[in-house]
Amino acid sequence: RKEVEQDPGPFNVPEGATVAFNCTYSNSASQSFFWYRQDCRKEPKLLMSVYSSGNEDGRFTAQLNRASQYISLLIRDSKLSDSATYLCVVNPSGGSYIPTFGRGTSLIVHP
Amino acid sequence: NAGVTQTPKFQVLKTGQSMTLQCAQDMNHNSMYWYRQDPGMGLRLIYYSASEGTTDKGEVPNGYNVSRLNKREFSLRLESAAPSQTSVYFCASRASTLGEKLFFGSGTQLSVL
Repeated sequence: RKEVEQDPGPFNVPEGATVAFNCTYSNSASQSFFWYRQDCRKEPKLLMSVYSSGNEDGRFTAQLNRASQYISLLIRDSKLSDSATYLCVVNPSGGSYIPTFGRGTSLIVHP
Repeated sequence: NAGVTQTPKFQVLKTGQSMTLQCAQDMNHNSMYWYRQDPGMGLRLIYYSASEGTTDKGEVPNGYNVSRLNKREFSLRLESAAPSQTSVYFCASRASTLGEKLFFGSGTQLSVL
């Protein structure tokens, strides 16, 4: 089982739709979690951190479920500009210096 | 602050040529990373440096060498480029080993013919 798994998609949704992605991780001791956004041929950029209590930033909501070992990203009222690949990143514990990336979920928002 | 600066942005090499990708960060970060990204493969770690003076292999180190020249700079060298090294390369850094987000350079698109 890969350490961090994501459904590659693509998720193809109309403008205004609500869409959710999940990301599962295998290391139960993982300490911190992030969602990054990557546009085609560009560098990944931090979208939001994921906190245990869940957190919201405008149309974006991130949640962590430690018991089931997954994080989620919910996008409400999708915009054309939300089209991108969304990467899940997990920081393990135990002194590891290596953040672990999922392969990303592709989102296409169409008119 | 420039953040993470990576050069060059594009490079075309012939098989067997060598080159060095440069990366510098001005955020006083301890840890620096080199990734490659290929279609359908996601980001794969080549080498990393947890702190100045240390380097370690990642998932795909073969064919590469690195140097952590000082706290700011972390370079990636291809001694004898191969077509399999055609990829997009990203440098990244972060403040400490735990709980911190990564900052990425803008990437180098490398083609080896």
